[in-house]
This record gives sequence, C-alpha cells and structure tokens, in this order.
Amino acid sequence: DTAVSQTPKYLVTQMGNDKSIKCEQNLGHDTMYWYKQDSKKFLKIMFSYNNKELIINETVPNRFSPKSPDKAHLNLHINSLELGDSAVYFCASSQAGTSWKEQYFGPGTRLTVT
Amino acid sequence: AQSVSQHNHHVILSEAASLELGCNYSYGGTVNLFWYVQYPGQHLQLLLKYFSGDPLVKGIKGFEAEFIKSKFSFNLRKPSVQWSDTAEYFCAASSGNTGKLIFGQGTTLQVKP
Repeated sequence: DTAVSQTPKYLVTQMGNDKSIKCEQNLGHDTMYWYKQDSKKFLKIMFSYNNKELIINETVPNRFSPKSPDKAHLNLHINSLELGDSAVYFCASSQAGTSWKEQYFGPGTRLTVT
Repeated sequence: AQSVSQHNHHVILSEAASLELGCNYSYGGTVNLFWYVQYPGQHLQLLLKYFSGDPLVKGIKGFEAEFIKSKFSFNLRKPSVQWSDTAEYFCAASSGNTGKLIFGQGTTLQVKP
C-alpha cells in the first residue's frame, strides 16, 4: 500500500535521449511536486501541480515537461538529456492549499546520464 | 529571497550523545517549518513540523525542535542518539498556499556504535 510510488527507480541513459519518470500517489491528495536532489544532496523544487493545474515552475529548462493526466499522477518527461541532469528526482504529494501540511515523498528515481 | 541554511554539514557522534542540528531561515511573514529525515537508501520522511502554537514541537523517534522567532531558528534536538539515527537531516520551510518547500543543504549525521 505504497503512498507515493515512482518508476523507474534507476534510469541510465545517454546524452541526447528523451526519458520519462512516472509518479503516482494513492493518498487522495490534490497537490503533487517534483524535486531534484543533486550530487551534494541539495533538494530543490522543480514543479508543482494542484488538481492537474501547474502552480509552481521554478525556472527549470523547458526540456523538462511535467504532465498530470489526473490528480493522482504527475509524470516528468525530459528531452535531450544532458550530463547535468544526472540526479535523484523525488516526487511528493500533499493536501492542497495548505502549506503547513506534510509532503509525502516517493522513493526517488536515480537518473544517470552518460 | 527566501532561504534556509543548515550550519552543520557533517556531524559525527557516539551513541548516547546529545544532538543539536542548527537551522536558520529567511522568510517574510508567516512561515511553516519542517525537519525531514532520509535514512540510507530510503525516501524522505517527516520528523516534525511547526506552523503555530507551542514553539517547542515534538516529533517521532524522540526528536524535538524549538522555533525561536527572534533568531529565525528552528534547531533540531535529541537527548540521546542511537546508531539507527544515522541519516541525512533536512530543514525546510514554506509559506503561502503553494506548499513550495525550500530546503536547507542537509546535514549528514553519523552515529558510531
């Protein structure tokens, strides 16, 4: 009964390829997020969707395109992968409109671009 | 600009030692504060949070944190650490209605048995 799940867990690919990471939550939350954790373990928000609507876009290159088919899913598509995209990507979810609510994180997807 | 900073990047303690991890934030207006923990190979989990009321908050696994508004601080404490507390600890803050979390740089805690 995983709360926030991500697939795949590991992703190794070459520069220039296009890849997607999927995220699903079964908590009934309205808001979902993508975070990037770099090699120094620094976590930075990338995107947030509230009920399928984009509400946060943190100056992420437009090679990154989030897609939310419904409020339980938030997928991340990355075009023309670069070496600097190597990181761990975390999906998270929370209840909407309440910034003091806990965010529940997925297990992460470790992306390695060679 | 909104920011969160953690002073200790790498802390090494022996079991039973007391722990205090520093966290300072820079936010205008009302702020919500969190401590998350990331055990080796696992996802982030919430340890505790503060959004109003008693500035001393208690979390899971014997952790507590104190919100000191005048110092813009939210330090994490535990009176006696265990080997199983070895993990990455992240302080984070949010405000408004977007839920956008800004994280500190993280602190690696290593507890020696």
